[in-house]
Amino acid sequence: DTAVSQTPKYLVTQMGNDKSIKCEQNLGHDTMYWYKQDSKKFLKIMFSYNNKELIINETVPNRFSPKSPDKAHLNLHINSLELGDSAVYFCASSTRQGSYEQYFGPGTRLTVT
Amino acid sequence: AQSVSQHNHHVILSEAASLELGCNYSYGGTVNLFWYVQYPGQHLQLLLKYFSGDPLVKGIKGFEAEFIKSKFSFNLRKPSVQWSDTAEYFCAANTNAGKSTFGDGTTLTVKP
Repeated sequence: DTAVSQTPKYLVTQMGNDKSIKCEQNLGHDTMYWYKQDSKKFLKIMFSYNNKELIINETVPNRFSPKSPDKAHLNLHINSLELGDSAVYFCASSTRQGSYEQYFGPGTRLTVT
Repeated sequence: AQSVSQHNHHVILSEAASLELGCNYSYGGTVNLFWYVQYPGQHLQLLLKYFSGDPLVKGIKGFEAEFIKSKFSFNLRKPSVQWSDTAEYFCAANTNAGKSTFGDGTTLTVKP
C-alpha cells in the first residue's frame, strides 16, 4: 500500500484556471506538508498542518489554500493559476513524536500554459 | 531564524570515487538532522537521520553522515560512489517544535 499518495500525477492547465491537488496518507501521522519544487530543484515548504490546524504558512500567495478535511488528507487548491506556478508539488507527512522524519508523496507536476 | 546550507550545488564524480557533501545548519537549540535523496523523476526518500546518540550515523546504500555539534555540520559521505547514486541530495533540519527546513540541494552526477 502506498504510504503517501497524490492525485493527479500530472496536471496541465491554462492561466487563470482553478485547480486542486489531493493528498492522502495512511501512516497515521498527525502532520502533513505541501512543498513546491521548482525547475532548479529547490524545495520550498508552503504549508504544514498538524491535527487539522495550520501551523506554517511560508509567505505563499493567498491564491493557494490548503484544506484538511481530516488528519489523513491535505488538499491544495490553487486559484487563478499563473505561469510561475508551474512546478512539482510534493505532499509529505510526519509524526510530531520522535525525529519528525518526513514521508513524501510521488509529486504532482503542474504545468500552466 | 533556522537555516540549512549545502556547500555544493553540483558535484560530478567518476564511479568508485569518494563522496563528501557538506551541510551546515544554524539553530541554537536541539535539532534533528536528515539527508534525503531524490532519484531522477522520483520523490524524496530518507537516506539517514540523526536524532540522538552516536554522532556517526549509517544509512542505506553505504551512506553515512557525521554530526559535529561544534561545527553545526552534518556532512554526508560515501567511500565509493556508483552510477546509480546519481541523484539530488537534500540536507534538512527539524527543531523540537516541528519546524522543518531544507537546504537547496546538491545534484550529484556519477560518470560510469
